[in-house]
Order: sequence, then C-alpha cells, then structure tokens
Amino acid sequence: DSGVTQTPKHLITATGQRVTLRCSPRSGDLSVYWYQQSLDQGLQFLIQYYNGEERAKGNILERFSAQQFPDLHSELNLSSLELGDSALYFCASSVQGYGYTFGSGTRLTVV
Amino acid sequence: AQTVTQSQPEMSVQEAETVTLSCTYDTSENNYYLFWYKQPPSRQMILVIRQEAYKQQNATENRFSVNFQKAAKSFSLKISDSQLGDTAMYFCAFLPRDYTGANSKLTFGKGITLSVRP
Repeated sequence: DSGVTQTPKHLITATGQRVTLRCSPRSGDLSVYWYQQSLDQGLQFLIQYYNGEERAKGNILERFSAQQFPDLHSELNLSSLELGDSALYFCASSVQGYGYTFGSGTRLTVV
Repeated sequence: AQTVTQSQPEMSVQEAETVTLSCTYDTSENNYYLFWYKQPPSRQMILVIRQEAYKQQNATENRFSVNFQKAAKSFSLKISDSQLGDTAMYFCAFLPRDYTGANSKLTFGKGITLSVRP
C-alpha cells in the first residue's frame, strides 16, 4: 500500500457521460498530481493542486476539471466522455522532491 | 520546459544477467532530481531509484544503480542479477528542484518495456 488511495479502481461508462475520480494523498502530503496514461501518449500530466489551490496545469482538456478539498483529498471530474478518454488515471502525492508516490490508478473505459 | 527521452522501446535480458536502460533529458535547470519508476503488469507505479543532480555520487538501491552524467544529460539505470520480477515497464523522470513552482511537475519519458527471460 503506497498510502495514496484512489477510487474506484475500475470504471466503465458510456460516451457523453460524466464521472468523478477520487484521490486521497499520503498523510502529510499537501500536493496532489493527476496523470493520464494511455497506450499511445504515455504518462501525461494533467493538473497539480497544493494545499487546496491549483498550482500547475498540463494537457488537461476543458471537459476535465479538478479540485482539492480542505481535507486534502482531490477529485478529477471528466465530462462529455469520448472513447479516446479511455485510459488509466493516476493520482500522486509528494513531499519536497523525494519523488511522487502514486496511487494504484483508476482504469476508465468509455464504451 | 523539460524533455525526457527513452529511445529504446523494448529490451530483453536473461535471468541473472545485467541490463542497462538508457535515458537522456534536456533542461535549462541546474538543480533537479531524476528518478526511475517501474510499472509491472499490475500497473502500479513504483519508485525504483532517485538521484539528486547536485550530488556527484551515483545512487544505488540494492541491485539497481544509476550512471548519472550531468554534462551529457544522461541518466541510465543498471539492473544487476536480473530477476523475473523485474519484468516491467521502466520510466525515467525529471523533477525541478524548485518543487513549489508552476514548473514543478514530474516529467516522464515514454518508457521502456523490459522482459526478463527465464
């Protein structure tokens, strides 16, 4: 157990739908990062939150949004889903450059 | 912006042998961290080894060691005494030392698939 908790582990949904992925960082970690891993794009950075505030944005689509709550858990919302959004979504947390600790990921399948 | 390049998409090694995975990167930063992550078939991302760019000594973790060449911007991973459980995808990654800045994200290479043959 890495200490970073992601739910759900698997999600199957239809095109056009909206889903919410949840992440709880390791105890004491203030930063949460979201990554998307697809077969052809590798690991793509989506967005970072630090202590409730958005810190950095990557290749995140406008249909996607995220937030970090006062208890530091984060949610990634994906809407108007398309087949190409099928991927593994990782959440990670970190402390001071010691590398990121990743959750086990949410595998999203859009049918 | 940083880029990380892993030019070998796949490698194969016999069990108990040694294998080296290559990685190069490009950055204008002077202080940063480099990492190797392992992703086995379970898809979990596991930190293998970490190198601080301001340290000249190469990092080692049991059977895993790195060859860090800062001037050449090269960061290779050597796996000694390869085991079947080392079969996985390996990602090289870069992180600026200014982890609080807007550029503080971990940037990954595309990964290399390593197969250990029995």
